Amino acid sequence: AQSVAQPEDQVNVAEGNPLTVKCTYSVSGNPYLFWYVQYPNRGLQFLLKYITGDNLVKGSYGFEAEFNKSQTSFHLKKPSALVSDSALYFCAVRDMNSNYQLIWGAGTKLIIKP
Amino acid sequence: SAVISQKPSRDICQRGTSLTIQCQVDSQVTMMFWYRQQPGQSLTLIATANQGSEATYESGFVIDKFPISRPNLTFSTLTVSNMSPEDSSIYLCSVAGGRGKEEGNYGYTFGSGTRLTVV
Repeated sequence: AQSVAQPEDQVNVAEGNPLTVKCTYSVSGNPYLFWYVQYPNRGLQFLLKYITGDNLVKGSYGFEAEFNKSQTSFHLKKPSALVSDSALYFCAVRDMNSNYQLIWGAGTKLIIKP
Repeated sequence: SAVISQKPSRDICQRGTSLTIQCQVDSQVTMMFWYRQQPGQSLTLIATANQGSEATYESGFVIDKFPISRPNLTFSTLTVSNMSPEDSSIYLCSVAGGRGKEEGNYGYTFGSGTRLTVV
């Protein structure tokens, strides 16, 4: 079965430090991977995606993610965290067996401390 | 990317009543997705709505409880019927970016959500 795992419910990082939010996936075929962010009381915002091409994908707000096929991972990273990055982050993969549906991870709460 | 206007943004409803949520997209899209999300938790897909056909419901969701309309390529509604406190949640609509064979390749856009409280 296709799935997405975000192993950390919460990640705490000091402002200015690098951050990583982990995501692993299990799909048949080539994965279409996405990261979304949800700020408190707001809708979901698209951060970045991997469809094909370079394994390092750059997205919005200075975030990037590295696709690693051998480890079936798509970790979200940022070199220097901001307090404003504090939010809920979701990893998702497109379900290639269905009608363009997304399979969602459980979400990781990112807390950036000043 | 598409822009979605979702209404209402929030509502407090009496149990046993129904609420209809609307999503208007600024461009034509083939598929629209309706989700439910408990605050701080992941998204649960309710159904996929294609224009001109019956919506496809996920396990645990039925048409009588969550009827969906999709009258054209830019608009859809989700009704939460005969509500109970267990229906209190955030409801989100979403569309896939891209057209034709590339639909879904450009990310998915979400409405701002409807926060429903049933009392």
